[in-house]
Amino acid sequence: AAGVIQSPRHLIKEKRETATLKCYPIPRHDTVYWYQQGPGQDPQFLISFYEKMQSDKGSIPDRFSAQQFSDYHSELNMSSLELGDSALYFCASSPDQETQYFGPGTRLLVL
Amino acid sequence: SQQGEEDPQALSIQEGENATMNCSYKTSINNLQWYRQNSGRGLVHLILIRSNEREKHSGRLRVTLDTSKKSSSLLITASRAADTASYFCATEANNAGNMLTFGGGTRLMVKP
Repeated sequence: AAGVIQSPRHLIKEKRETATLKCYPIPRHDTVYWYQQGPGQDPQFLISFYEKMQSDKGSIPDRFSAQQFSDYHSELNMSSLELGDSALYFCASSPDQETQYFGPGTRLLVL
Repeated sequence: SQQGEEDPQALSIQEGENATMNCSYKTSINNLQWYRQNSGRGLVHLILIRSNEREKHSGRLRVTLDTSKKSSSLLITASRAADTASYFCATEANNAGNMLTFGGGTRLMVKP
């Protein structure tokens, strides 16, 4: 069965650079969520979209922005990267705004 | 403080034994979900239990929910070495959209 696709899987950036993470939800899933998981930490909710509109906002820094496109894929844009942004970034999608299916994550390392 | 907290933080058992992990939370919830994560990898959805349910089964998994105590447990029966992973509970709170708040996770090691 198709799963959530995230790209890239690994990303290395320098401080103050920008990064764009992409998420392709499972077909016919209209809701996308972004989570950040720091080393040894729990996943923390960042932001979500339903039908291309932002639906919830969590602990997402102002330096980050995200959107969901007409094909339901989503992008997380991260600017002025800091060392503390190094983490696993997960995207999840849902067909019913209840069960969330997670992608494999993008591992971001900021040097 | 954290919405979901898990107990124990780490658990080591022998193959064939049962593993029980507990999760507590603080606010009213719509549902509680359990996820599994292999080291540094994606989160795999295991089971969802709604606030009006008390127990749910899926294969070797049994989940209970006690909303009066704001707690849940995940039981894995007849554990296998392949069950070695971290297990997280995540809650969807009432009136907070449907974002998930994750607990601290239990690291389970099943020794062959």
